[in-house]
Amino acid sequence: GAGVSQSPSNKVTEKGKDVELRCDPISGHTALYWYRQRLGQGLEFLIYFQGNSAPDKSGLPSDRFSAERTGESVSTLTIQRTQQEDSAVYLCASSFTSDLYNEQFFGPGTRLTVL
Amino acid sequence: DQQVKQNSPSLSVQEGRISILNCDYTNSMFDYFLWYKKYPAEGPTFLISISSIKDKNEDGRFTVFLNKSAKHLSLHIVPSQPGDSAVYFCAASAIERYQKVTFGIGTKLQVIP
Repeated sequence: GAGVSQSPSNKVTEKGKDVELRCDPISGHTALYWYRQRLGQGLEFLIYFQGNSAPDKSGLPSDRFSAERTGESVSTLTIQRTQQEDSAVYLCASSFTSDLYNEQFFGPGTRLTVL
Repeated sequence: DQQVKQNSPSLSVQEGRISILNCDYTNSMFDYFLWYKKYPAEGPTFLISISSIKDKNEDGRFTVFLNKSAKHLSLHIVPSQPGDSAVYFCAASAIERYQKVTFGIGTKLQVIP
């Protein structure tokens, strides 16, 4: 009965380094979403995966950001050459399908700090 | 450009009273609205939703009202309980892209015992 898990819970990195954030969705959930929340801002949609369909990458802020998902399981969000403005809480969510009215279940987030 | 606005960053309410959290949106394509609740160090959890074909949806102590002409929705919690103290996010999506949910910045509710 585990929920969405994310690792690490906290990550401090130096500007210019690459980071990888991991998300384990709820088993059986076919849809997976990444969001970020910068200080004083709302949750910002980044990318969405649904089954084997091509992901919706329309929210990725730059080509330094990429995400992959293996089948209907784990996803990793990679940020290359991190910048200070990338500092945020990165949240992952999953849902059973991507149908309307389908509730998204969120993980606790990864707090990324870029020094 | 914030398409979903929560103009009150915080709200304090006495236990037992009504809490009213407000949300405004600018995108007329939005037709599905959600409220999420977030405790510290946890991810947001879904609370209640409403589609644009309705103007009210009720679930226990929680009621969401939608005024499409004013592009305004509100969440009412009555009676408020100390366990309701959390950050509340208003969110919206459009029917042709419902996977892409736009969130407000949240309102921190404190219910005082």
